[in-house]
Amino acid sequence: NAGVTQTPKFQVLKTGQSMTLQCAQDMNHEYMSWYRQDPGMGLRLIHYSVGAGITDQGEVPNGYNVSRSTTEDFPLRLLSAAPSQTSVYFCASTWGMNTEAFFGQGTRLTVV
Amino acid sequence: GDSVTQMEGPVTLSEEAFLTINCTYTATGYPSLFWYVQYPGEGLQLLLKATKADDKGSNKGFEATYRKETTSFHLEKGSVQVSDSAVYFCAIFKTSYDKVIFGPGTSLSVIP
Repeated sequence: NAGVTQTPKFQVLKTGQSMTLQCAQDMNHEYMSWYRQDPGMGLRLIHYSVGAGITDQGEVPNGYNVSRSTTEDFPLRLLSAAPSQTSVYFCASTWGMNTEAFFGQGTRLTVV
Repeated sequence: GDSVTQMEGPVTLSEEAFLTINCTYTATGYPSLFWYVQYPGEGLQLLLKATKADDKGSNKGFEATYRKETTSFHLEKGSVQVSDSAVYFCAIFKTSYDKVIFGPGTSLSVIP
């Protein structure tokens, strides 16, 4: 039972490069979210989705894009990486937002 | 807007000491309340939750009671162990905005 799988676990990018963080879940959850975790700031919501084909912005969406073409996958795209995007990124999924959220193990991204 | 406030960390306790981590929230209505735990190098896991006033959530010796009158959801454990060393996040969810809002997290270190 894989749960929520994020890849890669670690990534170093140069300023201006683009990349996609992958997130997949095998629990048939409708809700998926992306967070970034920064020291002293906890988790901040970047984008979220309440079902395939539906996405919305969270608290800190600038510089990131998402899409949800299938229930299972919710990739996060960095369009032009900046040092301010150095962070740990977590993907989460849940059956309903009032129920337990399952988190991936995170992607540690460094932008130089 | 809605928000979650947690006590500042880090918190350092000796094994078998009593633990309290304070959490208060600002939100209208009756949000659901959660405590999540993040062990080193891992994603977040649900520790306990409460969905209505006066509910008590409990798990692994941890407890928290939904106090509507004080808008609080303090986490307690009677006797902590070294294995409880982790970061603890308080969170709220309201149906009206389909998002979970996390507090900044409180780091706990338990020393033998």
